[in-house]
Amino acid sequence: AQSVTQLDSHVSVSEGTPVLLRCNYSSSYSPSLFWYVQHPNKGLQLLLKYTSAATLVKGINGFEAEFKKSETSFHLTKPSAHMSDAAEYFCVVSDRRRDDKIIFGKGTRLHILP
Amino acid sequence: DAGVIQSPRHEVTEMGQEVTLRCKPISGHNSLFWYRQTMMRGLELLIYFNNNVPIDDSGMPEDRFSAKMPNASFSTLKIQPSEPRDSAVYFCASSLRRGGLEADTQYFGPGTRLTVL
Repeated sequence: AQSVTQLDSHVSVSEGTPVLLRCNYSSSYSPSLFWYVQHPNKGLQLLLKYTSAATLVKGINGFEAEFKKSETSFHLTKPSAHMSDAAEYFCVVSDRRRDDKIIFGKGTRLHILP
Repeated sequence: DAGVIQSPRHEVTEMGQEVTLRCKPISGHNSLFWYRQTMMRGLELLIYFNNNVPIDDSGMPEDRFSAKMPNASFSTLKIQPSEPRDSAVYFCASSLRRGGLEADTQYFGPGTRLTVL
């Protein structure tokens, strides 16, 4: 069965330093992978999406993620954190070869320290 | 585009009352999803529709919950009777389902925050 694991429930970084949010997935085939961001009291917004084209995916607000099949990972990174990046981030996996289920991770809350 | 529209944005009701949440998907989208988000359980998929037909309702907690999609531009999620444990934020999302193996991007509404006293 498909699954997705976000390895950290909370991450704190200082403004201006790099961000790394970790995500590992389990899927028998070639999955589609997403990162969504949720700011306080808001809905989820798509950050980026991987669908078997380039393994390095660039998203909005300077975020990017790299698909590593050998490590079954899809970690989200940003070179320099901004205060406005404080939010909850969800890693999502879907594998239409298997079924139509879309599996959300439990989320990682990113805190930005001034 | 107005995005996914949900109403009401906040609902406070008393235990035992009927609650109806509403969703208008993005025009042209053919799939619609209802989610529930709580601190304890995170984001849970309740039900999803494709072309107005319920495809998977395995996430609906119990018979007190029901969802309908009478047409492509409107869906409701009803809880009757409501209980305090139903307190959560309920999100509606829509997507354009295409053929092929690529998963579709879901677009989320702002959510309805439900409080059952």
